[in-house]
Parts: sequence; C-alpha cells; structure tokens
Amino acid sequence: QKEVEQNSGPLSVPEGAIASLNCTYSDRVSQSFFWYRQYSGKSPELIMSIYSNGDKEDGRFTAQLNKASQYVSLLIRDSQPSDSATYLCAVNIKAELTGKLIFGQGTTLQVKP
Amino acid sequence: EADIYQTPRYLVIGTGKKITLECSQTMGHDKMYWYQQDPGMELHLIHYSYGVNSTEKGDLSSESTVSRIRTEHFPLTLESARPSHTSQYLCASSEWAHQYFGPGTRLTVT
Repeated sequence: QKEVEQNSGPLSVPEGAIASLNCTYSDRVSQSFFWYRQYSGKSPELIMSIYSNGDKEDGRFTAQLNKASQYVSLLIRDSQPSDSATYLCAVNIKAELTGKLIFGQGTTLQVKP
Repeated sequence: EADIYQTPRYLVIGTGKKITLECSQTMGHDKMYWYQQDPGMELHLIHYSYGVNSTEKGDLSSESTVSRIRTEHFPLTLESARPSHTSQYLCASSEWAHQYFGPGTRLTVT
C-alpha cells in the first residue's frame, strides 16, 4: 500500500461543474496536508494547505480533511478549462521537523468547455 | 511569489559527461530538496538538506550527489551521465513543510 494514494484519473467534468479530488494516506500521525497543481511540463505550485479536521475554503477551492478516516479531498467549484491540470496530494508524514512531503501520483483533471 | 531558480532549464548531453544542475533560492529557507519526475509520473525525492553541510538521500535511489555549502545554493551533480538519467529534475525549498518549487531542469542524455 502506498503512503499517499490518489486515483490517477483522468477526471473529466464540464465547465462550471464541481470537481472532487480525493486522497487517502496511511500514516495516522500525519499533521499537514497540501494540494499542489501541476500543469503539463511545469513544476508544482501550492494551491491549498490544511492542518485540522474540517473544511478550509479559498476562493473556488475547498480542502476537506478527515483524520479519523485518513482522507483529504479538494473541491473545485465552477470549474474552468484553465483548471485542467494534474493535482498532487502531499502529506507531511512522520518527523514534522524534516519538512519532507510524500506525494501521491496525482489526479489528472480535464475541464471540458 | 517563490524565488527559487534552476539552471539550465534544458540540457542535452552525451553519455559519460559530468553535469551539475544548479538550484538557488533567495528566501533564506533552511530545507531544500531535489525531486526526479518522469513525464506523467510521480515525484520522487532523491536528496534533501536540512541546512548547511547537512544532506541526506531521499526515497528513490539516485547516482547523483549533492552539496550544501551555502544556505541559498543546493547543486546536484552526476559524475557520469547515462541515458537512464534522462528525466526532469525539480528543486524545492521550504521553511517548514510548504515547499516552493523551481521551474525544473529537463535533462536528456544521449
């Protein structure tokens, strides 16, 4: 079992719909969770971070964390074609002070006009 | 805006050559990382550093080496490039766990 798992997709949604991206992780002591967006041929950029159970909203993006279920998700409301990218879930596992992140394989999102 | 730079952006080199990929950041971050990523594939951590004179190997075995003599600089060296080293190399830095990525170096070894 991988430490961080995502469905590789592609996840295809129509423009204006809500895209829901999911991630599970294996280490119960994980404290910090991140969503990165990576366009094809580019480097990852952080779009959301979440540290406590519940929802965190930033514009069209909402991150949801459920530590009991070891599950973190990203919702993108009013999806736009420019949201088409690979979304990487990253978890800070084990030693907090290292700053090391374990990345999932990424979910490719396609938003169709 | 993250201030982390990588040079060169693209490199095509023959087998057996020694290469150094440069990474610099101006944010004063203690932690720096090197990742390897093939097209459409996962990010794999190959090296990281907690600070000056501190380097450790990552989760993916790599024939490359790194050094950290200055806080802002974290170069990666391949002593003898091989076609299997063809990949994208991404450098990142962080103060804690939020990592900022550089633009990457796409390496092709012929």
